[in-house]
Amino acid sequence: GAGVSQTPSNKVTEKGKYVELRCDPISGHTALYWYRQSLGQGPEFLIYFQGTGAADDSGLPNDRFFAVRPEGSVSTLKIQRTERGDSAVYLCASSLIGTSGTGELFFGEGSRLTVL
Amino acid sequence: RKEVEQDPGPFNVPEGATVAFNCTYSNSASQSFFWYRQDCRKEPKLLMSVYSSGNEDGRFTAQLNRASQYISLLIRDSKLSDSATYLCAVNSLRNQGGKLIFGQGTELSVKP
Repeated sequence: GAGVSQTPSNKVTEKGKYVELRCDPISGHTALYWYRQSLGQGPEFLIYFQGTGAADDSGLPNDRFFAVRPEGSVSTLKIQRTERGDSAVYLCASSLIGTSGTGELFFGEGSRLTVL
Repeated sequence: RKEVEQDPGPFNVPEGATVAFNCTYSNSASQSFFWYRQDCRKEPKLLMSVYSSGNEDGRFTAQLNRASQYISLLIRDSKLSDSATYLCAVNSLRNQGGKLIFGQGTELSVKP
């Protein structure tokens, strides 16, 4: 597909479990972002990758959250020992850096995480 | 204080009305500014970039006021289909990506 793909679209888990969320960005986009969005709020920045490296992970709330992008394409957001407060929609976005310079982010449809 | 702030609304307006939203940002070094639109339970999509000289796209006009550190979005002749949440976003690094910080979003409801 041409857009950003995220899986799963919905995930229900129990408190204390481990969760992985996957993002497949638009082909050729070097930058990849993870955001978290709660009801009634704007997207909250978590982490940003430029290629394989995390250029800015200042938004990760604590050490239970970790993200990787080993080959500079697909990324996985990992959440350990989930808590009810982690329930949110996790949005992934990608952008093409260095050409248009508009900074436009293309978002996936999100992964809705519910921690019971 | 949040880095990017918006009035959450909701703004309830009749069809045909003109409505304006403001968004303030705290980082004076910010270089790039955007308005995104988000429909209910959907992902955000870019509505328009905001340029220093101001820019217009059909019924939509965006402006930047660096001195007061705010951006605005004006919608003329509102349509029912304009009902959505409008998110402002601010990026600190010009032409290099970097993290985009979003405001809370302003909810607009256009009524017949």
